Amino acid sequence: EPEVTQTPSHQVTQMGQEVILRCVPISNHLYFYWYRQILGQKVEFLVSFYNNEISEKSEIFDDQFSVERPDGSNFTLKIRSTKLEDSAMYFCASSPPPSGGYEQYFGPGTRLTVT
Amino acid sequence: AQTVTQSQPEMSVQEAETVTLSCTYDTSESDYYLFWYKQPPSRQMILVIRQEAYKQQNATENRFSVNFQKAAKSFSLKISDSQLGDAAMYFCAYRSRATGANSKLTFGKGITLSVRP
Repeated sequence: EPEVTQTPSHQVTQMGQEVILRCVPISNHLYFYWYRQILGQKVEFLVSFYNNEISEKSEIFDDQFSVERPDGSNFTLKIRSTKLEDSAMYFCASSPPPSGGYEQYFGPGTRLTVT
Repeated sequence: AQTVTQSQPEMSVQEAETVTLSCTYDTSESDYYLFWYKQPPSRQMILVIRQEAYKQQNATENRFSVNFQKAAKSFSLKISDSQLGDAAMYFCAYRSRATGANSKLTFGKGITLSVRP
């Protein structure tokens, strides 16, 4: 069964450094998302992406964040200058065309630790 | 804006027994989707069950079923014949249908379910 994959599984970085989190959505999906979960808290929406454009973004997704689909398979989240409070689990998700259902399928997550 | 509330932070159930996890939500929309996701210690988000708001029939998936009360804006998850592998964090989530095919999920705070052997 197709799966969303994410790399790396765990990333440790120093405050102020740039990080890129990578995701490979399910191949026939059209809609892509990033969510984050600070330890012990609920999952929060960051951004949705469709047709090479951001569809919606939350207040968390400020100028330090960016997303990109550099080729036909990868979907990346970049944090330009990490802060301690960016430490969280970051989940990528994808969903199929409307004819294929409405669920969002999540990757296993990348644990980001900012020191 | 939609909100999802899970007021019980923790619940415990004896193996083989039945447990119900509560969820309420607030929305002004009439057409939407509701989900329950399971998050085991690995922290992977696993879809458990889904419900379309326009369907009156409650969704079921094997041992998992929901009680969807649209007027009350309630969406509870019932787990029958609980197994040790059911121990996890469970999140209730809402997704609008009006805002398009790529609308976001809004999650509740989650409930930690433990299963006693």
